[in-house]
Amino acid sequence: DARVTQTPRHKVTEMGQEVTMRCQPILGHNTVFWYRQTMMQGLELLAYFRNRAPLDDSGMPKDRFSAEMPDATLATLKIQPSEPRDSAVYFCASGLVLGPANTGELFFGEGSRLTVL
Amino acid sequence: AQKVTQAQTEISVVEKEDVTLDCVYETRDTTYYLFWYKQPPSGELVFLIRRNSFDEQNEISGRYSWNFQKSTSSFNFTITASQVVDSAVYFCALSVVNNFNKFYFGSGTKLNVKP
Repeated sequence: DARVTQTPRHKVTEMGQEVTMRCQPILGHNTVFWYRQTMMQGLELLAYFRNRAPLDDSGMPKDRFSAEMPDATLATLKIQPSEPRDSAVYFCASGLVLGPANTGELFFGEGSRLTVL
Repeated sequence: AQKVTQAQTEISVVEKEDVTLDCVYETRDTTYYLFWYKQPPSGELVFLIRRNSFDEQNEISGRYSWNFQKSTSSFNFTITASQVVDSAVYFCALSVVNNFNKFYFGSGTKLNVKP
């Protein structure tokens, strides 16, 4: 059963520390999304890749956040330095876009719960 | 601009009641997709249904049914004979082809089904 895998599932860190979250998309999927979920903001889109190229990262604080796809099997989201307001659940999702008018559903990972003290 | 509105923040029903979750979307594009996801207390988002803008047929899957009306830009979700296991947060989402297929999520509706 294909799944999106995220690590770590839980992370507690202190303010100022670097945090790296990893995501293994479903094999064959060509789109990867990073979302952040908080009670106040709901699901916020942070970054979006298609065929490993970043298409949109406008929702991401550029000064401290960075997202990359070093290869088709790995997406990373890095926060440096982390702040208490970054505490949230970070979701990775992957999907398949076969053409301009053929958008498949997103499959979500279980999320990485980050707590910054 | 694209937007999804789920005006119902939280709904509580008693088991076996029917419940409808509302979703209103905004887009100027003619080609788009609509989705519903379920987020149970465990936290993972689970895909429920996908609809494209050219298919206004309603769909039924067991106790779940979806009503897509382009005239009112709505994609409502009805659970018939609700069960405690239906308790979750439900998200409606919009993906627009001309905006790189980005997904826009509503704020979610928390459904509490009481025994």
